[in-house]
Amino acid sequence: KAGVTQTPRYLIKTRGQQVTLSCSPISGHRSVSWYQQTPGQGLQFLFEYFSETQRNKGNFPGRFSGRQFSNSRSEMNVSTLELGDSALYLCASRSDIEQETQYFGPGTRLLVL
Amino acid sequence: AQTVTQSQPEMSVQEAETVTLSCTYDTSENNYYLFWYKQPPSRQMILVIRQEAYKQQNATENRFSVNFQKAAKSFSLKISDSQLGDTAMYFCAFMKLNFGNEKLTFGTGTRLTIIP
Repeated sequence: KAGVTQTPRYLIKTRGQQVTLSCSPISGHRSVSWYQQTPGQGLQFLFEYFSETQRNKGNFPGRFSGRQFSNSRSEMNVSTLELGDSALYLCASRSDIEQETQYFGPGTRLLVL
Repeated sequence: AQTVTQSQPEMSVQEAETVTLSCTYDTSENNYYLFWYKQPPSRQMILVIRQEAYKQQNATENRFSVNFQKAAKSFSLKISDSQLGDTAMYFCAFMKLNFGNEKLTFGTGTRLTIIP
């Protein structure tokens, strides 16, 4: 079974631009979570989607948004990029049966200049 | 809110030796899970081991085992016969069960280097 995939793997943007990151979960997993990893703040939860609905959200500004499609693929969007948004963005999926365990993708490294 | 503390920012050990990484957490919950994730230089976060709080028996996965002390809120990871491929950042993580609204709370990580 293929693991969680994320595209693109690397991205360079400038301040003020917007960006969209994509995540495809493990086949059969309906839950997708997003995390931000930075040297200063560590790993922080952004939000989770399940069956196309956001069901959990972390403490991030409204510039960070997401959505999930009927095939469980998820996208995360960051508008009006700031330098501090430079980070590794990790996506994780989990199954309905094994709800406690999240499986991570390789991440998208975003650099904002 | 739950917090997870890893007090060892960096550790190093000779290949084939045993190393223990520490983790403490703070919660008022009774029903939760604890995890150790490994993040090698490739950046892929890999699940190493998990522990259910209601199980007294410590989890074991091959060379990896945990010492779970629920009353002390301690969850250490022991790596036996360490190998060069064990070099990575190790994150301790907590998840409380909340009817689908679960999320992981991570510690700050321990950078482990295995010396040949």
